[in-house]
Amino acid sequence: EAGVVQSPRYKIIEKKQPVAFWCNPISGHNTLYWYLQNLGQGPELLIRYENEEAVDDSQLPKDRFSAERLKGVDSTLKIQPAELGDSAVYLCASSLQLNTEAFFGQGTRLTVV
Amino acid sequence: RKEVEQDPGPFNVPEGATVAFNCTYSNSASQSFFWYRQDCRKEPKLLMSVYSSGNEDGRFTAQLNRASQYISLLIRDSKLSDSATYLCVVNRGNQFYFGTGTSLTVIP
Repeated sequence: EAGVVQSPRYKIIEKKQPVAFWCNPISGHNTLYWYLQNLGQGPELLIRYENEEAVDDSQLPKDRFSAERLKGVDSTLKIQPAELGDSAVYLCASSLQLNTEAFFGQGTRLTVV
Repeated sequence: RKEVEQDPGPFNVPEGATVAFNCTYSNSASQSFFWYRQDCRKEPKLLMSVYSSGNEDGRFTAQLNRASQYISLLIRDSKLSDSATYLCVVNRGNQFYFGTGTSLTVIP
């Protein structure tokens, strides 16, 4: 069974440019998460979806970040415009049921220069 | 106060040693508990779930103390391949809360 798939793996952009990340969760997993991870820190939640609905986006910087999960499967996270401080690893995860473990994709390492 | 707190280490131990990590969580309503392993520049991967009765998987033993709100991970007979960062993770209401991770290096 395929795991969580993310693309691209790496992205280097200039500040003020837009960038988008894509995630395909494990088939049948209704809950999808986007996390941000800085070096030496644990992942921090940006947004959580239950099917198509964003049920927790309180930590998403909505002035520049947006996300969507059309049809309750794939998801896209966008940053526009990117800032130097956005350089980090963006992780997508999915889980099957309430309180069960989350499975992570390989992440997208973003560098803003 | 952070939801989950861990000693970041680093822990440097010789091969064959036993090492223990602890973590505390702040919200007593937390429902499920996990240890994840994260290798350098890789994604976190589930090591084991943690149950109230304690559970063991080979050389790894996890314990949960709900009264004191702490979780532990014991690694026996450490191998070089155990070198990684170990993340303590708590779930409440389908929301995961991560510790900052504890770095382990097993030395030959």
